[in-house]
Amino acid sequence: DTAVSQTPKYLVTQMGNDKSIKCEQNLGHDTMYWYKQDSKKFLKIMFSYNNKELIINETVPNRFSPKSPDKAHLNLHINSLELGDSAVYFCASSQEGLNTEAFFGQGTRLTVV
Amino acid sequence: DQQVKQNSPSLSVQEGRISILNCDYTNSMFDYFLWYKKYPAEGPTFLISISSIKDKNEDGRFTVFLNKSAKHLSLHIVPSQPGDSAVYFCAVTWAGSYQLTFGKGTKLSVIP
Repeated sequence: DTAVSQTPKYLVTQMGNDKSIKCEQNLGHDTMYWYKQDSKKFLKIMFSYNNKELIINETVPNRFSPKSPDKAHLNLHINSLELGDSAVYFCASSQEGLNTEAFFGQGTRLTVV
Repeated sequence: DQQVKQNSPSLSVQEGRISILNCDYTNSMFDYFLWYKKYPAEGPTFLISISSIKDKNEDGRFTVFLNKSAKHLSLHIVPSQPGDSAVYFCAVTWAGSYQLTFGKGTKLSVIP
């Protein structure tokens, strides 16, 4: 049973399209996150949700919008995709903030052409 | 401006020997430090952590050392095994934080 699962694993799409990446965790964690790993391999926080409330919203274009229908899900919607959005996006979850172990999904490789 | 630096992008070690991965951070506000391991096409997995009140934490073959005055931590793997070949990320945070700040990673190759 996968603890943090995200779909799809690969996503190839054209510039200007709108796409979503879904994330679900079955660990009962209160906090979920989206991270982006760019071409330089840095993993950077994008959003953090605690009990369905947005806690962190780093400097991310407002074309990116997270949506948390419940504690177990945190989806990422991206509007008007640009070439520079190509990256690997990781969902993660943890209990009570990140001082405890965070569990990551397998990643979604987004390629914008 | 990198707050967490892993200056060695790669490291090769013979099986059975010690692997030492290093990490430097810039902000003394950070008080909790973690190492994550990542295989290709998978997400990072938590390996070991240490809080600022300690200078060493050990878990089996893995030991993390923290030098607060130097703002430096290291991960020792002994003995190294081929299955340890992966990218290792150092991450830092502080009490009550909801984010991790990652280094760029070090790719470890353990040669049989």
